[in-house]
Amino acid sequence: DAGVTQSPTHLIKTRGQQVTLRCSPKSGHDTVSWYQQALGQGPQFIFQYYEEEERQRGNFPDRFSGHQFPNYSSELNVNALLLGDSALYLCASSSDRGNSPLHFGNGTRLTVT
Amino acid sequence: DAKTTQPPSMDCAEGRAANLPCNHSTISGNEYVYWYRQIHSQGPQYIIHGLKNNETNEMASLIITEDRKSSTLILPHATLRDTAVYYCIVRVEITDKLIFGTGTRLQVFP
Repeated sequence: DAGVTQSPTHLIKTRGQQVTLRCSPKSGHDTVSWYQQALGQGPQFIFQYYEEEERQRGNFPDRFSGHQFPNYSSELNVNALLLGDSALYLCASSSDRGNSPLHFGNGTRLTVT
Repeated sequence: DAKTTQPPSMDCAEGRAANLPCNHSTISGNEYVYWYRQIHSQGPQYIIHGLKNNETNEMASLIITEDRKSSTLILPHATLRDTAVYYCIVRVEITDKLIFGTGTRLQVFP
C-alpha cells in the first residue's frame, strides 16, 4: 500500500521563476493538504483540497495556488519565486470521513537562488 | 500561533521509557490531541491521537489528563531510531489545518 508520494524530491529555481510540485495521496484518501516547512521550523498550512476545490487556506499569498485532479492527486504552484520560498514542501492526505489522521509525504526540497 | 507548549529538548536512554509532555490549556471540547514525529529529512509521521480517553497503539501510549489541559506521549522502550522531533498538536475535527509548534527534540542515547 503506497503512502503519500511527492515529486520531485529536490528542485532548484531562480528568483522570479514559477514551480509546480506534485503529490499522489495515500490509497483510499480523497483530501490533500499542502504545508511549507522552513529550516528549523514546524510545518505551516498552505491550503487543503477536497473534491477538486480549495476548501481551506492558510496565511499565504495568491502566488501560491493549487489544483486537485479527479484521481485525487494534487499540484502546488508557486509563481514569482522569492528567496524566502526556499523550504521543504509537504503534501498530506486524509480521508474526509470523520477524524482521519493526516499522512505526510517526504516532501520536495525547493531551493530558490 | 501554536496552541500547545512543549519542552524544546529531552534525552532518553535506549531501552527506557520516553515520556514527552505537552500543555494545551486552551483546548476546546471538539479538539483532538495529535502526536507526530519527524525524523531528519522526512515528512512528519503520525503516531497517535485521542480526545479524552487514554489511547495505546503499536507505537506509543497517549495519556490525557482529566481536565484535558495536558497530555503525555509515552514511548515504552525507546530505541535509537526514535530520535526525532515530536510535535503535539490540537486539531479541530474535520479540518486538515494542523498548527505545528517547534516540538520537542528527543535524543535517544546508547
